[in-house]
Order: sequence, then structure tokens, then C-alpha cells
Amino acid sequence: SAVISQKPSRDICQRGTSLTIQCQVDSQVTMMFWYRQQPGQSLTLIATANQGSEATYESGFVIDKFPISRPNLTFSTLTVSNMSPEDSSIYLCSVGGTNQPQHFGDGTRLSIL
Amino acid sequence: DQQVKQNSPSLSVQEGRISILNCDYTNSMFDYFLWYKKYPAEGPTFLISISSIKDKNEDGRFTVFLNKSAKHLSLHIVPSQPGDSAVYFCAARGSGTYKYIFGTGTRLKVLA
Repeated sequence: SAVISQKPSRDICQRGTSLTIQCQVDSQVTMMFWYRQQPGQSLTLIATANQGSEATYESGFVIDKFPISRPNLTFSTLTVSNMSPEDSSIYLCSVGGTNQPQHFGDGTRLSIL
Repeated sequence: DQQVKQNSPSLSVQEGRISILNCDYTNSMFDYFLWYKKYPAEGPTFLISISSIKDKNEDGRFTVFLNKSAKHLSLHIVPSQPGDSAVYFCAARGSGTYKYIFGTGTRLKVLA
């Protein structure tokens, strides 16, 4: 399976600021996914990022809050904008196809003060 | 509405015994189910999957059972080992989609 690297692994940020999370894959993949895991909750899909097209956002998530870039087949970024304490979560990227399991990076642990 | 539920937040089992983790779902259109294991400070790791056309899939010490009529799946780990101590997530996917719905996880502790 693909090796997925996320940066940063953790960060503590001030409210009102923005943070960009990077996801690098060691092979070319068509579909990349961004998830959020709030404390004590399940993993929730934020958006799907396909190279060459706009990201597709799930209900409850908007581009202004979570802008995503997908400049090539091995890289994507997720920005968490204008952060508030409610954005304190683990953010995970994953890769996978329609008939394959998804494989995850180690996540970015984000705390907002 | 939580479409995939893991009603036991935690489970403790003696080393060498069987661990049984349960997962219930509500959407009859789900056709592919997976289990992931997650250690602290790591991302979820894919463990085992099952298609809705099967009722059992086995991989070494891990077996997943699917009961479609009850909308229930379970993960059996035999024998359990201390290294199996982790949080286990079940996930389900609808036919022809790439979107997975995850349960809230069950924390398994295997006691030496």
C-alpha cells in the first residue's frame, strides 16, 4: 500500500489564524481524501480531492473554511481557516480507489487556544 | 444519524482468549465493510474487509463475520495478543461509491 506522509504531525494555534496541512504520497493516486476526527468521535469525511478538479465537499464542510489544493497526483493540502477551539481535532488524509480500502496518513493533531 | 455504530466503547480481554468486536449499521445499501486498527499517534491501519456477497472472511488471527439480515458485523481476534491493544473502527461503504462511513471505535485492551 501507499506510504502517506503528513506534515505537521501536531500544532497548537491561536484562534483566528489558519494552518495548512500537507499530505504527500509515495505513488501517484487519483483520489485523496481529507477526514476529521473530533475528540471521542468517529472519522468524518471533509472532502475528496481529485487532481485537476475542484474538491468535493461533504455536507457541513465548506471551501471557505477548508480550502483544499491538489496540484499533482502525489500531493494535497488542507487549510483550516479562521480557527476556533471547535476545530481542535485530528485531521487525516487518505488515499484509495472505488473498490479498495483507504489507507491513511498518521494525522495532524491540531489544538486551538 | 449515525449509520454505523459501535456500541461498546471499550473491551478488555485476557491474552490468548478471543476478542469479539461488534458493529451495527442501518443502511441496507452498504455493500463493503472494513475494520481498521488505530494505535495512539498513528493513523488507522487497514485490517480486514468483507463484501456483502460473503458472510465470513478470514486472515490469520482475524475473522470478520457479516450478518446482512441483522445489519451486523463482528471482528474476531483469536488468540488475542497484547500488541492487539488499540482502537478498532468499523467502516461501511455504499455500492459504487468511494465514501466510507466510520463507527466511533472500540478500545481493545488485551491483558497479559
